[in-house]
Amino acid sequence: DQQVKQNSPSLSVQEGRISILNCDYTNSMFDYFLWYKKYPAEGPTFLISISSIKDKNEDGRFTVFLNKSAKHLSLHIVPSQPGDSAVYFCAASPGGFKTIFGAGTRLFVKA
Amino acid sequence: EAGVAQSPRYKIIEKRQSVAFWCNPISGHATLYWYQQILGQGPKLLIQFQNNGVVDDSQLPKDRFSAERLKGVDSTLKIQPAKLEDSAVYLCASSGQSTSSGNTIYFGEGSWLTVV
Repeated sequence: DQQVKQNSPSLSVQEGRISILNCDYTNSMFDYFLWYKKYPAEGPTFLISISSIKDKNEDGRFTVFLNKSAKHLSLHIVPSQPGDSAVYFCAASPGGFKTIFGAGTRLFVKA
Repeated sequence: EAGVAQSPRYKIIEKRQSVAFWCNPISGHATLYWYQQILGQGPKLLIQFQNNGVVDDSQLPKDRFSAERLKGVDSTLKIQPAKLEDSAVYLCASSGQSTSSGNTIYFGEGSWLTVV
């Protein structure tokens, strides 16, 4: 039972353009959502998060949008840079416990 | 601030052998997690500790996997006997006090296990 789904295994974007990574969830009890970035041979690194009481959170080039009615969140990266090439994991947790991860989307940013 | 430390980074063992992984969380973090990440999948929670007590171990294969967190700081994860399907990255993570916004967990670099 996949409670957090990232339906796009990979995404390719030109440097300088916007990258949009999508994530859907099924559990309405999730109230905290996170994005992690993972380079090869390293552990996932926390990138940005959003609480269910908000619909947008911005940190520099990274913005996360939350649509609770659609149970959908997205990560926007503007402008995309070659160093952003990595696997991005969406994660969600209910009340701070048992954070559940999606399968990841591999982002390729072409120079 | 030091991050989550894990060792060994890489381990190759034969099936039916045993292996142990060690983790030292971020100083002051009460919650410690062990995740298993199989190639091409997202991290899957194996066990979650709050101080030295187990909060959730529902997805830990208890016939072969065990974990402990003595004294509420360091933790070890053991696999005995290992199977081929245990080949994965074992990620240790920790988190501090939950805030009104939520609970952010921080990962170590992982311990890569190959069972042959």
